[in-house]
Amino acid sequence: EPEVTQTPSHQVTQMGQEVILRCVPISNHLYFYWYRQILGQKVEFLVSFYNNEISEKSEIFDDQFSVERPDGSNFTLKIRSTKLEDSAMYFCASSPGLAMHEQFFGPGTRLTVL
Amino acid sequence: KNEVEQSPQNLTAQEGEFITINCSYSVGISALHWLQQHPGGGIVSLFMLSSGKKKHGRLIATINIQEKHSSLHITASHPRDSAVYICAVVNNAGNMLTFGGGTRLMVKP
Repeated sequence: EPEVTQTPSHQVTQMGQEVILRCVPISNHLYFYWYRQILGQKVEFLVSFYNNEISEKSEIFDDQFSVERPDGSNFTLKIRSTKLEDSAMYFCASSPGLAMHEQFFGPGTRLTVL
Repeated sequence: KNEVEQSPQNLTAQEGEFITINCSYSVGISALHWLQQHPGGGIVSLFMLSSGKKKHGRLIATINIQEKHSSLHITASHPRDSAVYICAVVNNAGNMLTFGGGTRLMVKP
């Protein structure tokens, strides 16, 4: 069964460093998402992406964040200058369509900023 | 902004019990997801619904759009059902999920 994959599973970085989190969505899906979950808190929406552009983003998704689909298979989340408060689990998801379609989640990348 | 509330926050049940988890939201939506998050952190989609009722095995999800409320039921609960169950609503533009805080379920043998 097709699945969303994410790499790395765990990333440790120093504050101020740039990180890139990678996701490979399910191949025939058209909509891609990033979410984050700070330890012990709710899952939060970051951004949705369709047709090579951002379709919606939350207040969390500020200028420090960017997303890209560089090669038609990978979907990346870049954090330019990490802060301690960026430590969280980051989930990628994809879906074949919008509201009436199930979203398929990847296993997550745990980001630890020291 | 949609506020999504789940109850209860924590639930302990004996194996075999019927379980109900509730979700209410404040603003109209296009759809609602029930998700399961295991201790390792992975998230699995259980249901996506916009009206009525869906059933999959021992799981049943219902939604009442007028009352802005959904329930997830587990029949004949089993220890392997132990997980966090999360309700998430889809905004009317269809491209953003707002999540509830989750219900932590523990089913004891």
